[in-house]
Amino acid sequence: EAQVTQNPRYLITVTGKKLTVTCSQNMNHEYMSWYRQDPGLGLRQIYYSMNVEVTDKGDVPEGYKVSRKEKRNFPLILESPSPNQTSLYFCASSLFPTTNEKLFFGSGTQLSVL
Amino acid sequence: GQNIDQPTEMTATEGAIVQINCTYQTSGFNGLFWYQQHAGEAPTFLSYNVLDGLEEKGRFSSFLSRSKGYSYLLLKELQMKDSASYLCAVSDAGNMLTFGGGTRLMVKP
Repeated sequence: EAQVTQNPRYLITVTGKKLTVTCSQNMNHEYMSWYRQDPGLGLRQIYYSMNVEVTDKGDVPEGYKVSRKEKRNFPLILESPSPNQTSLYFCASSLFPTTNEKLFFGSGTQLSVL
Repeated sequence: GQNIDQPTEMTATEGAIVQINCTYQTSGFNGLFWYQQHAGEAPTFLSYNVLDGLEEKGRFSSFLSRSKGYSYLLLKELQMKDSASYLCAVSDAGNMLTFGGGTRLMVKP
């Protein structure tokens, strides 16, 4: 089944404790992206990747890191999480690295930073 | 920057028709998307418009007017399962995709 897989689904952590949210797609998509979703603010892009070893900042990259060492994987790293990073996170992918391609989303990660 | 506006909430009755509007101001235009998102779930693709006019897909239709910076999503024969948030997203000439805040639709019996 074609899908974007995110893990974990729920995560509670404490301030400053490094964490990684994994994202993997099995559709051979070139483009991958991370979003956070907060009430009233919609989906905001954190980082995106046009292809392997190519990453770039989105609208809200501060406090996050990403890597794209393989085409299928695009992990999101929070080196020192803070409470303002409490949010619902989505990974997404599309076939080509243009924004007129539809996105396929993972099931989301609800992160709480205490 | 980009500015996308859509109503925060709407309520409609089962079996009725509802229109969800989206207005945008962007630096160039490269297409407009509508996504559906049920509570606690991932957004899923509904429609894409890049040319003016109406695109129909079953009970759902999406309209675009580029000159007015305006789109709407039309849902016919509403069903309870249509209760969800509907996200408007615009792709600009700089290859950036920006999402609106979403419209939460509640369908009542």
